[in-house]
Amino acid sequence: SQQGEEDPQALSIQEGENATMNCSYKTSINNLQWYRQNSGRGLVHLILIRSNEREKHSGRLRVTLDTSKKSSSLLITASRAADTASYFCATAGVSGNQFYFGTGTSLTVIP
Amino acid sequence: NAGVMQNPRHLVRRRGQEARLRCSPMKGHSHVYWYRQLPEEGLKFMVYLQKENIIDESGMPKERFSAEFPKEGPSILRIQQVVRGDSAAYFCASSPVAGDSPLHFGNGTRLTVT
Repeated sequence: SQQGEEDPQALSIQEGENATMNCSYKTSINNLQWYRQNSGRGLVHLILIRSNEREKHSGRLRVTLDTSKKSSSLLITASRAADTASYFCATAGVSGNQFYFGTGTSLTVIP
Repeated sequence: NAGVMQNPRHLVRRRGQEARLRCSPMKGHSHVYWYRQLPEEGLKFMVYLQKENIIDESGMPKERFSAEFPKEGPSILRIQQVVRGDSAAYFCASSPVAGDSPLHFGNGTRLTVT
């Protein structure tokens, strides 16, 4: 079955504020990845966190992973209008055969 | 280094016709994944291929849909006898290794069945 469920479904914040999105999944994973999708475009990879890692940073992005709770969070600090997009988490199973994507969080950053 | 190329970007087919969607992975990538996305929804896994082999097609409908990734040329997702419910965006992604590296996505093919 598909796994990966983002929360909230939609988020609207003011420019400069932080945005936090959460992802829950169902089965054991090799790694978890976050992607961004602008309207009408393909997904762009943001960050990958392996199952033995707890936290990872990349610029204004901070990702945490809690394998005991089967959950991850993506924090975007000091948001900008250009961060407006949909954000998806994807989990790679231990076999590596499939990447399952969640339903996404639609982020709107108001200038 | 060109990214993942998908064509056509938009495809309109009448019910009953065939749709052929093409995907050229990034240079050096031998793993290809196809996904389907309905408006306001996430991506649904369809099939995972390596060169000349289908590794996992568990997300693919049993009938009318097929995929290939020949030794030479792009990966093809083929939908026979299309129905209105096939209307969606179809995305292809590639990676150099399975499971442990990011996926690189194309911009998708938007299929409309009239």
